[in-house]
Parts: sequence; structure tokens; C-alpha cells
Amino acid sequence: DAGITQSPRHKVTETGTPVTLRCHQTENHRYMYWYRQDPGHGLRLIHYSYGVKDTDKGEVSDGYSVSRSKTEDFLLTLESATSSQTSVYFCAISGTDRNQPQHFGDGTRLSIL
Amino acid sequence: AQSVSQHNHHVILSEAASLELGCNYSYGGTVNLFWYVQYPGQHLQLLLKYFSGDPLVKGIKGFEAEFIKSKFSFNLRKPSVQWSDTAEYFCAVDRGSTLGRLYFGRGTQLTVWP
Repeated sequence: DAGITQSPRHKVTETGTPVTLRCHQTENHRYMYWYRQDPGHGLRLIHYSYGVKDTDKGEVSDGYSVSRSKTEDFLLTLESATSSQTSVYFCAISGTDRNQPQHFGDGTRLSIL
Repeated sequence: AQSVSQHNHHVILSEAASLELGCNYSYGGTVNLFWYVQYPGQHLQLLLKYFSGDPLVKGIKGFEAEFIKSKFSFNLRKPSVQWSDTAEYFCAVDRGSTLGRLYFGRGTQLTVWP
């Protein structure tokens, strides 16, 4: 399996609190992605990064921000969590070679009460 | 906007039955196509991928998929399913860009009875 570690694996928090999820990779891959998975929606892209300090929005980016200060770490922040952000969050990575598919981490289950 | 449609939300089969899961996409340009599988409580794993060449692609665990460009389809098949194939299956498409942004279908839950 690809060297991807997501932390925390589970988190319960309250509406209005800030939350930061971390994705750490040991593959030195250029591209990193954050998705959320919700029943009936499949996976939807929140933000992605194509290099250190280079990030862009995905299809469901409202309410989320990201940062990538090092190749190996990609942080997803919910500045003020809402119940609609209760979801399972997956990080994915892929290399520079165009023929490399994305590989996924184990996910973070986030519950916002 | 790019969309990926998986026609079957839940498929129930007996062991040894044949499987075909449908996937259609809406983008008309160059695409790369993927099937991922997610076993209960686990992360997504790549089953197979198509970038170019032979439109019939073989993946892991006996799965295969056929890319039919004229139908914008990439259906997943397996001749004989096993109980261990019980999982959720996702079709995904990227539009051939270097950024590799994936668009996922909503998933098909496959349940195989022993």
C-alpha cells in the first residue's frame, strides 16, 4: 500500500469549532487531494495540491481551506465546523508520471454535533 | 460539468453468478478511466485503469472492464463472483489533464450471498 497516513482516524467535535485533518505521505509524490465521501454521493473533491504552496479548489470547497508547506504534508482545515461537514474524509496522492493513478489513505471519520 | 453515472446502486448476486456494473461519463474529450473498490471499513483500492490502447483492460481479482468510446461507457465485469467481492465499487474519470482531478460516480454496493 502507498505510504499515506491520515490523522486523526476518528474525531467528534461541536459545531463552530475549528478542525484540522492531516495527510502525511512518504512517497514524495507531487499531487495530493482531499475528498469527502457521503452516502449517495460517492467521493467529491474538496481541494488539491500540485506542489508545495500550490493548491486549488475542487467541487465542494466552501467551508474548507488547505495548506501544503512541505511535500509530505497536506492539511485540511474546517475553520468553523458545521453539521453538514460530518463525513468521511480521504486523502489521496499521485505522482508526476501521467500514468500513475491516485492512491488513497485510510480515511478520517469526522462527526460534528 | 463532468458527470459520471453508475446505473446500479445496489446489486445482489449469488456466488458464481456473473457481474456487470455500468458506468457512463459525460465528457467528450480524452479521458482516463478507473474502477476502485472499497471493502467495508477500508479505503479505496484501485481495481483497474484505462489510459490508452486495448479497450479491454484486466485488473486484479479477475475483474475486467471494457472502454466503449462511442457509448462513453466503461463497464466492469467479472465472470464468477465470490462472497469476498462484497464491497462498494466506484467508477472514476479524469479528463486527461496533468492535474489528475478525478470525478467519481456515486458507487454501486455489491452484495454476494454464499
